Amino acid sequence: DAMVIQNPRYQVTQFGKPVTLSCSQTLNHNVMYWYQQKSSQAPKLLFHYYDKDFNNEADTPDNFQSRRPNTSFCFLDIRSPGLGDAAMYLCATSGQQLENEKLFFGSGTQLSVL
Amino acid sequence: DAKTTQPPSMDCAEGRAANLPCNHSTISGNEYVYWYRQIHSQGPQYIIHGLKNNETNEMASLIITEDRKSSTLILPHATLRDTAVYYCIVRSRSNDYKLSFGAGTTVTVRA
Repeated sequence: DAMVIQNPRYQVTQFGKPVTLSCSQTLNHNVMYWYQQKSSQAPKLLFHYYDKDFNNEADTPDNFQSRRPNTSFCFLDIRSPGLGDAAMYLCATSGQQLENEKLFFGSGTQLSVL
Repeated sequence: DAKTTQPPSMDCAEGRAANLPCNHSTISGNEYVYWYRQIHSQGPQYIIHGLKNNETNEMASLIITEDRKSSTLILPHATLRDTAVYYCIVRSRSNDYKLSFGAGTTVTVRA
């Protein structure tokens, strides 16, 4: 049973055309994360929400924004995608922000920018 | 943050145990060692984690040295489906327990 669901699995957008990726969870977890993974690289944390508290990583470009309207859903908005933003985007959740809490990942959305 | 060092790749024969090493010599006393794996084109999957004691679950065993400066993930009977990138991660209070991925070890299980 999928617990962290990302839609769509594949997304194609045009250079400069805003795009939104979505993530939903059935775990009722407080924390939701967005990672970016470029080809042959490790996932890189972009930002996370603790409940409604947004936490941006220092090196996340302003082009990336996020929304969390409720506990279950979180969105990643890319305002003006560039070719360098083509990547797999991974959503993850955890119950708390503690050292012994597991993260649960979705299957990711593969974004292509034409 | 405690950094981790893993070999970039290793091969393993199907049906044999796979022993994946990880060095984390700067780990501090309250930091956990986590292992995740990522099969191609999928999201990372939790395997196991531990603090001081050895741990075992249905997927793997985690052996942590007494000084906690290194650990080994053991896949007891590797199958072709275990082919993946394996990440050893130390979670630290200093960075709010974020899961920060290093380069990992690419494990290829061969028939």
